[in-house]
Amino acid sequence: QVQLQESGPGLVKPSQTLSLTCSVSGVSISSGDYYWSWIRQPAGKGLEWIGRFYASGSTSFNTSLKSRVTISKDTSKNQFSLKLNSVTAADTAVYYCVRGLPSRGSYYFDLWGQGILVTVSS
Amino acid sequence: SYVLTQPPSVSVAPGKTARLTCGENNIGSKRVHWYQQKPGQAPVLVVYDDSDRPSGMSERFSGSNSGNTATLTISRVEAGDEADYYCQVWDKTNDDRVFGGGTKLTVL
Repeated sequence: QVQLQESGPGLVKPSQTLSLTCSVSGVSISSGDYYWSWIRQPAGKGLEWIGRFYASGSTSFNTSLKSRVTISKDTSKNQFSLKLNSVTAADTAVYYCVRGLPSRGSYYFDLWGQGILVTVSS
Repeated sequence: SYVLTQPPSVSVAPGKTARLTCGENNIGSKRVHWYQQKPGQAPVLVVYDDSDRPSGMSERFSGSNSGNTATLTISRVEAGDEADYYCQVWDKTNDDRVFGGGTKLTVL
């Protein structure tokens, strides 16, 4: 059974860096069949895709966030991580790590972690 | 960039059919995916590539996509279908995955 689990601080101070890790079990993140993404959701609002990486190491980011985002992987631990720098209150959200699939000229998300709430506040 | 338009809310009586729309100019040229999110839970994929269902997903969920509107249809609506529903596409130009604003489905 494939599972994704987010971990990291639930509180981050403004202007600092938000750091989260996604631990994956049941499938290798090095598998070329999938890509791995972060998606966030502010309270009471919709979903926002942050970025993704492929097993090859290539990355892609939301145009509006790319200047502040880094996604990296640790294949030895089967984990991938998100770093979002210079955070503000607008970055307060539930953050999901998500498995994605390419299919017929598109991409969709077939498996989600439970999500972790990150609050940006002093 | 793409802006997917979803009605904020749709209400339907139990046993009836709900039709949730996702609008964008020429969305019919893209593959649309749909997610269901119940309160306090992570989203769940219900339809992908316009009209395909993930393994185990109820046949009551179906999708279509043509012209400027994609539609998620839920047949024989049940109380357990009450949730927020999001559409999603891939913006090839910017390599962005774009979500609609979501529709809250209320079962009367």
